[in-house]
Parts: sequence; C-alpha cells; structure tokens
Amino acid sequence: DIQMTQSPSSLSASVGDRVTITCRASQSISSYLNWYQQKPGTAPKLLIYAASSLQSGVPSRFSGSGSGTDFTLTINNLQPEDFATYYCQQSYSAPPTFGGGTKVEIK
Amino acid sequence: QVQLVESGGGVVQPGGSLRLSCAASGFTFSSYGVHWVRQAPGKGLEWVAFIRFDGTYKNYADSVKGRFTISRDNSKNTLYLQMNSLRAEDTSLYYCAKDRVAVAGALYQFDFWGQVSLVTVSS
Repeated sequence: DIQMTQSPSSLSASVGDRVTITCRASQSISSYLNWYQQKPGTAPKLLIYAASSLQSGVPSRFSGSGSGTDFTLTINNLQPEDFATYYCQQSYSAPPTFGGGTKVEIK
Repeated sequence: QVQLVESGGGVVQPGGSLRLSCAASGFTFSSYGVHWVRQAPGKGLEWVAFIRFDGTYKNYADSVKGRFTISRDNSKNTLYLQMNSLRAEDTSLYYCAKDRVAVAGALYQFDFWGQVSLVTVSS
C-alpha cells in the first residue's frame, strides 16, 4: 500500500495568513492526489482533485500543487471557516490511502 | 442536490453482524461507483470498500476482506455494507461516498459523503 505522510500534524495561524500543508507519498503517484477538509462532526469535503484542480464551489483561496511524491495545499488569506483538519489522499492505486491529517487551529 | 442518507449503525457484540444502508438521491446513482470509508473516533480516514456502478466489480481493504460485503440495488438507489465477524477495531464512523465522475472503474475521488453511521463493537 502507498503511505501518505502529511506535515505538520497541526499548526496555528491567524485570519488572513497564508497556510501551507505538505503531503508526501511513499512512491510516485503522478498527479493522483486529492485534498479534503473536515470540520468536527461533519463529513470530509473534497477541495482539490488531481493535485491542482479546484472542486466546484470551493473558494479560489485554496490551491494545490505538486506531482510525483511531493504535494502542497495552500490556503491564502485564511478565513474563520477554514479552521479544520485537512487530509491528503492518493487515488493512484488501490487501496486509496489517506494522510494522517493536519489540524489548522486559530492562533 | 446530491444526498446520501445512511442508516443501520448501532452497537453490536464482537463476532456479531450489522448491515449499513446508504440511500442516494439527486444524481443518477446507477451511473456512479460508490464507496464506504470509515473513521475511528478521533482518528484518520480509512477506505473500506468500492462497488462499480453496475455492481460487477468490488474491492475491499485487507482489514475487512472476507468479513464485509458491499452491494447495491440500483432500482432502490441504495448502497449496502454487510459487516460480519465484527471486531472491536471495526468501531468507527462509517461514511458512504460517491466517485466524482461516472467512469467504468474506480476513480477514488470522493466528492459527496453521507452524514455518517456510527458502529460500535463492544461486549
């Protein structure tokens, strides 16, 4: 199975900050990388698919980049509603696997 | 709008069985692959199983293979997960989720998720 490693596991940031979360795959996954946002008590929400494609309805302050083994999720101008846990997930091969999550907290 | 409404969760003893259901609406259910994904309380996400749009292909996580069975009834727009020989480590929130695009195989891009079913395995 492909292992996905996210860093950091948590971070503190302020409204208006730029936040960067990284995700590393244990082998090359081309651009088969997706990002999800999960708020407490709710289901995950797809933000980015295929490494850099913005899911419909997701604000443009979210962006994704990378290919191969290293990927980044960037949130520009962090908003109060963005405080949540973020997961990366590879869709290159079965079983699809998730990173351990990054919790974005209010500073 | 797309809706996935789950039911069937509960408390079961180790070794017991439970069946989850996921009723879909707002999209052409029979055209999409669908999945089960679970999350142990306070933990990360784990994919559990996939079924092709027509039910002819299924695959499972190793952790549930041989114990869980995914199925679907396209006439009822409903997805199922039959869980047998349950273990304490199966205690989780279970989500159904659909693939983002209607393709022949599995896309593994989960664009809509159900509202969750809690399964607790405990004596």
